[in-house]
Amino acid sequence: KAGVTQTPRYLIKTRGQQVTLSCSPISGHRSVSWYQQTPGQGLQFLFEYFSETQRNKGNFPGRFSGRQFSNSRSEMNVSTLELGDSALYLCASSLASSGGAINYEQYFGPGTRLTVT
Amino acid sequence: DAKTTQPPSMDCAEGRAANLPCNHSTISGNEYVYWYRQIHSQGPQYIIHGLKNNETNEMASLIITEDRKSSTLILPHATLRDTAVYYCIVPNTNAGKSTFGDGTTLTVKP
Repeated sequence: KAGVTQTPRYLIKTRGQQVTLSCSPISGHRSVSWYQQTPGQGLQFLFEYFSETQRNKGNFPGRFSGRQFSNSRSEMNVSTLELGDSALYLCASSLASSGGAINYEQYFGPGTRLTVT
Repeated sequence: DAKTTQPPSMDCAEGRAANLPCNHSTISGNEYVYWYRQIHSQGPQYIIHGLKNNETNEMASLIITEDRKSSTLILPHATLRDTAVYYCIVPNTNAGKSTFGDGTTLTVKP
């Protein structure tokens, strides 16, 4: 079974621009979560989508948004990029769990390395 | 999420068991303990999780104390490829805002 794929793997953007990152989950996984990883802050939760709906959200500004499509693929968008947005953005997928909670048996993709200059 | 505390680094000799501790003294009765690892420049890899009983899979064993305030991840025969950062997390699945903390950097030495 293919793993989680993320595109692009590397990206360089300029301050003020916007960026869209893509994630394809493992087949059959309907929950997709996004994380930001930086040396200073570690691995931080951005948001989680299930059945095209954002169910959970971390403490990030509104510049960070996402969506999920009917085939469970997900995109995240960062608008008005800042230097501090330089990070590894990770997507993780999991099988749905009961009661609307995140199933933390998650499978991560390789990440997208975003550099903002 | 319940707060977890892990030693920042540990060494282990190749072929020996690696025992990675995690303290989660504020864990609630229905919260699970999850372990992940992250090898340099890769995405985190799920290892194992448990509630109160000890668990074992092909990668590792998880030992949870009876009071559930701490746990130990055991890699029975560590190899050089097990060198990674190991994260212990106790996510509150209702809050859905898990962060991974700093983890333990395990270095397996020949």
